[in-house]
Amino acid sequence: EIVLTQSPDTLSLSPGERATLSCRASQSVGSYLAWYQQKPGQPPRLLIYEASNRAIGIPARFSGGGSGTDFTLTISSLESEDFAVYYCQQRSNWPPALTFGGGTKVEIK
Amino acid sequence: QLQLQESGPGLVKPSETLSLTCTVSGDSIISSNYYWGWIRLPPGRGLEWIGSLYHRGSTYYNPSLKSRVTVSVDTSRNQFSLKLDSVTAADTAVYYCAAPRNGYSLDYFHHWGQGTVVTVSS
Repeated sequence: EIVLTQSPDTLSLSPGERATLSCRASQSVGSYLAWYQQKPGQPPRLLIYEASNRAIGIPARFSGGGSGTDFTLTISSLESEDFAVYYCQQRSNWPPALTFGGGTKVEIK
Repeated sequence: QLQLQESGPGLVKPSETLSLTCTVSGDSIISSNYYWGWIRLPPGRGLEWIGSLYHRGSTYYNPSLKSRVTVSVDTSRNQFSLKLDSVTAADTAVYYCAAPRNGYSLDYFHHWGQGTVVTVSS
């Protein structure tokens, strides 16, 4: 079973700053990784899929990178609505399974 | 526009079975060819994938829950369901149903229900 480890647990930043979130896989997942944003009381929102592709309607300030075991989500300049919890998720074809990371909370400093 | 809505009891007693239904609107469960999914968010913890199913019967489960989980589909009602046996307080969570971005395989979830809170308590 693939384990995803996200770091840091919490990121304290100010609006306008750059946020860099990390997701490390216990074994290679190729580019089969996604990022989600979740705000309290709302379902998760897909931001990035296949490591670096923005989902429909996602602003360009969100970008994803990496492959294999190390991935990053970058928010180039934080807006007030970006303070939330972010999760990475991998999909594997064999055995067929999905796994989420533990999450990183981006909070206002 | 694909929409999903979870329904079911908000309170379940320990050792009993949790049963939830997801009603799909805006598309047909059959024609979409999606692997429909269940995910949960326990309080103070992260998202956890529970399982996914295809309308023709293929199912995939989280290994840590596999012995207690059953997911099924009712194509006549355009619904799919989750059953979780022998629940404990650790199964208290917000439960989401979701649909992926693409069909024919497990994929990232693009469409989500609003979630339903299930509390396990006597």
